[in-house]
Amino acid sequence: RKEVEQDPGPFNVPEGATVAFNCTYSNSASQSFFWYRQDCRKEPKLLMSVYSSGNEDGRFTAQLNRASQYISLLIRDSKLSDSATYLCVVGDNYGQNFVFGPGTRLSVLP
Amino acid sequence: GAGVSQSPRYKVAKRGQDVALRCDPISGHVSLFWYQQALGQGPEFLTYFQNEAQLDKSGLPSDRFFAERPEGSVSTLKIQRTQQEDSAVYLCASSARGGPSKTQYFGPGTRLLVL
Repeated sequence: RKEVEQDPGPFNVPEGATVAFNCTYSNSASQSFFWYRQDCRKEPKLLMSVYSSGNEDGRFTAQLNRASQYISLLIRDSKLSDSATYLCVVGDNYGQNFVFGPGTRLSVLP
Repeated sequence: GAGVSQSPRYKVAKRGQDVALRCDPISGHVSLFWYQQALGQGPEFLTYFQNEAQLDKSGLPSDRFFAERPEGSVSTLKIQRTQQEDSAVYLCASSARGGPSKTQYFGPGTRLLVL
């Protein structure tokens, strides 16, 4: 079993839709959690950190469920520019030992 | 300010050739990471430096892979006797001194193709 698992998609959604991704992780000692975004043939870029209490950044909401060991990302009112691969990342208490999921591909259609 | 830079951006090597990939981290960043990303997969950890010390090299797939950061800044990932399975994008990332929410900033990667 991989340490971090994601549904690879693709998720094809119309503009304006709400879409949610889940990610599960196996290492219960994990302490840091992130969502990164990666555009085609580009490097990953931090979208948002995920905190225990959940956090929101504009149209994006991230939640962490430690008991069930999963992380979610919700995108509201999706835009064409949201089309990308979303990588779930789990790390240790020092922001190191990052383990990336395989990514979930999102295509927002006009 | 300048981000993480990597060179070359693209490298084509013949099987058996040695290659060297360079990473210039963000100035002042203590931590430096190397990842390998195969097509359609997430990045896989290779090795980690804190300043010049290589603290974790558990992800290096074989002894053909070697990384160094002699002065705690620029790092080089060297692959000896390249094989076709080494074809991938090699990503470098750097972060400031460690902490639970430290962001890793990635370079654009070196796309290696071994023929």
